[in-house]
Amino acid sequence: AQRVTQPEKLLSVFKGAPVELKCNYSYSGSPELFWYVQYSRQRLQLLLRHISRESIKGFTADLNKGETSFHLKKPFAQEEDSAMYYCALSGLQAGTALIFGKGTTLSVSS
Amino acid sequence: ETGVTQSPTHLIKTRGQQVTLRCSSQSGHNTVSWYQQALGQGPQFIFQYYREEENGRGNFPPRFSGLQFPNYSSELNVNALELDDSALYLCASSTYRGGNTGELFFGEGSRLTVL
Repeated sequence: AQRVTQPEKLLSVFKGAPVELKCNYSYSGSPELFWYVQYSRQRLQLLLRHISRESIKGFTADLNKGETSFHLKKPFAQEEDSAMYYCALSGLQAGTALIFGKGTTLSVSS
Repeated sequence: ETGVTQSPTHLIKTRGQQVTLRCSSQSGHNTVSWYQQALGQGPQFIFQYYREEENGRGNFPPRFSGLQFPNYSSELNVNALELDDSALYLCASSTYRGGNTGELFFGEGSRLTVL
């Protein structure tokens, strides 16, 4: 079964601390992995995708096929990073949907 | 560039009624997909439309149906509403050029409450 698991509902850190939002997936094939973010009173938007191998707003995520994980990391959290983060996967086929995890709320306090 | 817009933003219906939700795609996008987001859950895929035809569907019953129009706008229709249909309904548009669908651009959602 295709599934995305985000084990933490809430992650609270202090400003400047490292952040790791966990994401594990199960998929029988080669998925594409994404992180979407929703800031307060804003719409859901793409943060990054694994094929881009980019660092966006200081966040990176590496696809580990052996561990079926796609954890989101940032070395130094900022207060403006506080948001809801969703990990999602998509099969590499036309018409395939994004399968989302339940999301992790990141709270960064000073 | 106009983003994805959805209407209405909020609505209340009673069990058994029917509802239509509307979505205008972002300019230049040819694919629209709908997601249901229950409280405390991630978005769950309902279906996707490309070139006015459904080309992907999640685990939702037939009473969930949709349309895509020539201008790429879309409707989600839900018949025989049930209490569990209460949720935020998200529309997302994207560009499909062959291969997998590109980045999804989401609307702000329509919050449906079924009493």
